[in-house]
This record gives sequence, C-alpha cells and structure tokens, in this order.
Amino acid sequence: DAKTTQPPSMDCAEGRAANLPCNHSTISGNEYVYWYRQIHSQGPQYIIHGLKNNETNEMASLIITEDRKSSTLILPHATLRDTAVYYCISKSSDSNYQLIWGAGTKLIIKP
Amino acid sequence: EPEVTQTPSHQVTQMGQEVILRCVPISNHLYFYWYRQILGQKVEFLVSFYNNEISEKSEIFDDQFSVERPDGSNFTLKIRSTKLEDSAMYFCASSLKGTQYFGPGTRLTVL
Repeated sequence: DAKTTQPPSMDCAEGRAANLPCNHSTISGNEYVYWYRQIHSQGPQYIIHGLKNNETNEMASLIITEDRKSSTLILPHATLRDTAVYYCISKSSDSNYQLIWGAGTKLIIKP
Repeated sequence: EPEVTQTPSHQVTQMGQEVILRCVPISNHLYFYWYRQILGQKVEFLVSFYNNEISEKSEIFDDQFSVERPDGSNFTLKIRSTKLEDSAMYFCASSLKGTQYFGPGTRLTVL
C-alpha cells in the first residue's frame, strides 16, 4: 500500500497557485518525496522530488516540512493544462525500487 | 529532451494469444520497469530490470509474463497467454538513478 495520503480532489482557479498537500508521516530517513502527474490515461509525468530541503524547478515548487511528515506541491500559476491526477510517492534513494502508487489528488483547474 | 517511447500505442488481441509490448528507454538509463493500470484503478508495479536480469517483481508478474532486453535499445514485456483481466494500460519506465521517466503507454485490450 502507498505510504502517503492525499485529498482525493481539489479545485483551483486558472492563474492562481495550486497547493497540493501530502502526508507521509512514516517516511524513512533515506526516502525521497516524489511527485508525478497523470493527464487522462497518459504516462505519468515526473514533476519534482526532494529529501529535506525545499526544491524548485520550471514546473513546480516542493515544500517539505522540517519533520518531513508532510509536503506541499505548488504550481505557481495554474493553467487548464495542469488538470490531472497528482501523485505523491515516497521512495528510497536506491535506484531500482518500485514506485508505490496511491489514488492521488484529482486537480481540476477552472477557468 | 530524451524520452521513453512505446509501441504499439494500442494492441487488441484475442484471449489466449501472446502479445509483446515494446519500449525504448532513454539511451543512457540503466534501470527499466513495467507498470500497468487497469481502467479507473491505481498504477501497479510489475517488474524492474537491471544488468540483464530481473531485480524485483510483484505478485502480478507470474509465469505468464516475461521481460527481455534483446539488444542495446529495446525492452520488451511478453504476455504468453493473455486473459481478459490483462486488459490495461502498460507503462514502461527507465531511470539512471532514482527518478523514473515513463513512456506514453500501450493500451492492451483482450477480447
């Protein structure tokens, strides 16, 4: 079973920041937090990952709490094309470990 | 930007037939994976592959399934005798280190 919990759905207005929460209270010290998204039934798309520090790339920002029990993915200026299911996954840094998927958060961006 | 490709995009087969799903991972990646997603359900791990051998597999990956890296570029998933319940999207992924990158998927329909 997935070791993370996420709200099943969220709405966000186009142009606003979308903040997607994730709880991972049992995360181990060597486990990263990964975020992927899946648009319709397309292949999952990697967004960002982090261990302890906050991370930012061209797609999003990841804020991890100091105790590492939760994190927030931020899409700074959401567009309609950001409508997707977003998955938060904790995974060991070892390369060949599987990703264990939960149900994710269905994010709907409204015009 | 390098990407994982998969062929075919859609495969229709009769129950009991063999199918081979093909993937071309990102060229310098070392770890390869297959996942599947039954319509409306979570993404499920099938198998991971490294250094020409299976490194991890799930309970789903029974004797009907096999994987192969026949040359330096392709990675295949074979289902020997398809069942109705094998109908799903099959995603290939590859990684160099921890981050897995996914292909667009093959939709397998078993009639």
